[in-house]
Order: sequence, then structure tokens, then C-alpha cells
Amino acid sequence: DGGITQSPKYLFRKEGQNVTLSCEQNLNHDAMYWYRQDPGQGLRLIYYSQIVNDFQKGDIAEGYSVSREKKESFPLTVTSAQKNPTAFYLCASSQRQILNTEAFFGQGTRLTVV
Amino acid sequence: QKEVEQDPGPLSVPEGAIVSLNCTYSNSAFQYFMWYRQYSRKGPELLMYTYSSGNKEDGRFTAQVDKSSKYISLFIRDSQPSDSATYLCAMSGGGGFKTIFGAGTRLFVKA
Repeated sequence: DGGITQSPKYLFRKEGQNVTLSCEQNLNHDAMYWYRQDPGQGLRLIYYSQIVNDFQKGDIAEGYSVSREKKESFPLTVTSAQKNPTAFYLCASSQRQILNTEAFFGQGTRLTVV
Repeated sequence: QKEVEQDPGPLSVPEGAIVSLNCTYSNSAFQYFMWYRQYSRKGPELLMYTYSSGNKEDGRFTAQVDKSSKYISLFIRDSQPSDSATYLCAMSGGGGFKTIFGAGTRLFVKA
């Protein structure tokens, strides 16, 4: 079945640690995105990539980093510079590079700082 | 002022009711309007999208866009307990690449 797989589903991070969230898609989509979801707020764009080896900052990129070495994979690293990382992280992909009108989402990773 | 405003609810209705979910927006350049459904602890799934103004129907769901009022709606007919979820509106096409999401309305359909 085609889709987007995020792992792990739950992740706990100690203060000062970097953690990496995995996102893999087998939909052959060119564009991939990372969003952060907090209670009472809309999805906020962290980073996006329209093509392999290229990515752009979204609205809240500070404290995060990404790579896009393969079309299928778009991992997100939450660094120790991110002051409030506890949130639900969603990865998405879409076929269209310009307008992600039909984005497909993964099941999310819930990150908690302990 | 947020670009997209959506009442967070919760909205509680009896089974079989007609549900109306709404969003307002401020950017008149938006042209693509989407509705996503998100179950608890899951990722959103695209329900419907429309381009520009007008209506679009898919089964029990109808999406309406009124660009003159900067107002979009999602109607759910014959609502079911399985419709209980958070509904997110989203918009795109505002001269850039990004899609802007509303905060979501939480819907409960009681059996």
C-alpha cells in the first residue's frame, strides 16, 4: 500500500539532546513537508522540500534541521536549540510542487521532553 | 489577526444532524480551499478541496466557498458517530507556496 510512514510514534527526549524523526513515502511524490501541531493552533510549517537535495525553511525552522538525500525520505532533526519541542509532528507529501493542495499526511510522531 | 480563523468548538450534535463547519480568512489571493479530517492521535486526511468559489459535493459532504465574503463551509449530512473528529480547513495559492491551516474544529456526534 502506498503511503507515508513516520517513526517512531512516540518519542521522549531529554533536555539538551538532539533527536531525529523519520519520514518515508512510497507515493513517488516530489514534495515533502514537516509540520508541527500544538493544541489550539493550526499546523505550522517547519521545513519543506520540492526536490531531492533541496529544502526551504518554513515559518518556524529555528531549532530544526532536515535533509533530503533521497526522494522517499525526509528526516527531521529536533536540536537542543529548539526551546519548546514538545508537540505532535506531522510529515506530509504531495505530487504538485507548487501548491500542496492534495497533501498526504503520515500518522505523526508525538515528541515529549522529559 | 490570523490569516485563517476557525472556531475550535467543541461542537456536539446528535446522530443524523446536519453539521456546519466554517472558516474565515483574510487573504483574498487564496484560490484553493481544503478540508481535512483528523482523528485523535492520527494524521489529517484530505476530505475535499475546491478551487475558487462554488460548491462541491461528495457523498454526505458538501464544501462551499464564498470568496466575496472570505468564508468557507463544510456541511455534513446525516452525521454519524464515526464523523467525530477534528476538522481542519486549509487554504493555498496566496502568491506563495505555503498552505495555511486553521486550528481545527472538534466535532462530536452522539449516538
